[in-house]
Amino acid sequence: EAGVVQSPRYKIIEKKQPVAFWCNPISGHNTLYWYLQNLGQGPELLIRYENEEAVDDSQLPKDRFSAERLKGVDSTLKIQPAELGDSAVYLCASSSWDSKDTQYFGPGTRLTVL
Amino acid sequence: SQQGEEDPQALSIQEGENATMNCSYKTSINNLQWYRQNSGRGLVHLILIRSNEREKHSGRLRVTLDTSKKSSSLLITASRAADTASYFCATDSLRGGNQFYFGTGTSLTVIP
Repeated sequence: EAGVVQSPRYKIIEKKQPVAFWCNPISGHNTLYWYLQNLGQGPELLIRYENEEAVDDSQLPKDRFSAERLKGVDSTLKIQPAELGDSAVYLCASSSWDSKDTQYFGPGTRLTVL
Repeated sequence: SQQGEEDPQALSIQEGENATMNCSYKTSINNLQWYRQNSGRGLVHLILIRSNEREKHSGRLRVTLDTSKKSSSLLITASRAADTASYFCATDSLRGGNQFYFGTGTSLTVIP
């Protein structure tokens, strides 16, 4: 079974530029999560999807961050414009309806904003 | 914001020794989980313990939960160099909604 796939693995951009991250969850997993992980910290939830519906986006900075999960499968997280403080690892995770407590994480995208 | 806090922040032991790390959390929970993260990788689920359980085992892992103290411990017995990683506890919210709060992590180094 393929795991959660994320791309790109690394991204370096200059501040004020836009950036997008892509996530393909495990097949059949209806719940998808985007997390932000700063160096030396644990992941912090940005947004959670149940199928194509964003059910928890309270921690998503909506002035510059946006996300979508069209057709309830793949998801894209976008930052526009990026700021220096956005440098972090962006993790995607998914879980299935019959095992909601276990999340499967992708390898993450390491973003560096210069 | 982080719900949990792991202790110690960093731990270095010799191969074969046991490693114990602790997690404290703030609000009542349904369950608590431990995850491992190798450098540059995503998190891997290790074990889940429910609020009505006090102890759980999985291979070389032993997890305890004390809901009265709002704390949990993860014991790794007979450690191996491959156990070198960061370990995070994650708690859910009694309000439900499948939102999990991760701690700050313990960085474990097992010296061969």
